Amino acid sequence: DAGVIQSPRHEVTEMGQEVTLRCKPISGHNSLFWYRQTMMRGLELLIYFNNNVPIDDSGMPEDRFSAKMPNASFSTLKIQPSEPRDSAVYFCASSPQTGSMAEQYFGPGTRLTVT
Amino acid sequence: GENVEQHPSTLSVQEGDSAVIKCTYSDSASNYFPWYKQELGKRPQLIIDIRSNVGEKKDQRIAVTLNKTAKHFSLHITETQPEDSAVYFCAAQGGGADGLTFGKGTHLIIQP
Repeated sequence: DAGVIQSPRHEVTEMGQEVTLRCKPISGHNSLFWYRQTMMRGLELLIYFNNNVPIDDSGMPEDRFSAKMPNASFSTLKIQPSEPRDSAVYFCASSPQTGSMAEQYFGPGTRLTVT
Repeated sequence: GENVEQHPSTLSVQEGDSAVIKCTYSDSASNYFPWYKQELGKRPQLIIDIRSNVGEKKDQRIAVTLNKTAKHFSLHITETQPEDSAVYFCAAQGGGADGLTFGKGTHLIIQP
């Protein structure tokens, strides 16, 4: 299995631009998570989906952030408009089952720099 | 919501010695506690996890203990090796929520 796939791996954009991050979970996994990692705030959960349905988006910082999962093999995280404070590494993770106590497998991350 | 505290933030040990990293959590409903290792520029990778129905779990040189009463869990690495150098994160999950709440991380440095 190829593992969780994320694209792009690196993104540099100017403030005010729209940014779209993409994730392909491991085939057969039912849960998908978006996390953000910064030096100041560490690893934070942004949103997660079970069976393609958003369950908890309380970690999404503000309305500039949105996430979708149109099918079981694809999810996007969009930031519009982007700001310098959005600079971070964004990880997507998937899990083989819904509910707690299941291992989460992380993708390689997308390093976002907003200038 | 859940809050996870992790200590120390940096830990330096001599190669061959043991390392211990401690975490506390706030939500008594949490029932799953994974530990992740992250090397520089890489993704977090699960190294061991423990569920609330057991108090201890061991995998070769790595062990995790859980004290539900005190809401405290720890990672123990014995016979440390240079390749153990990395940032280690504890996390907690449960109470009806599937997302992980992470500690701030411990930078483990193995001195040759």
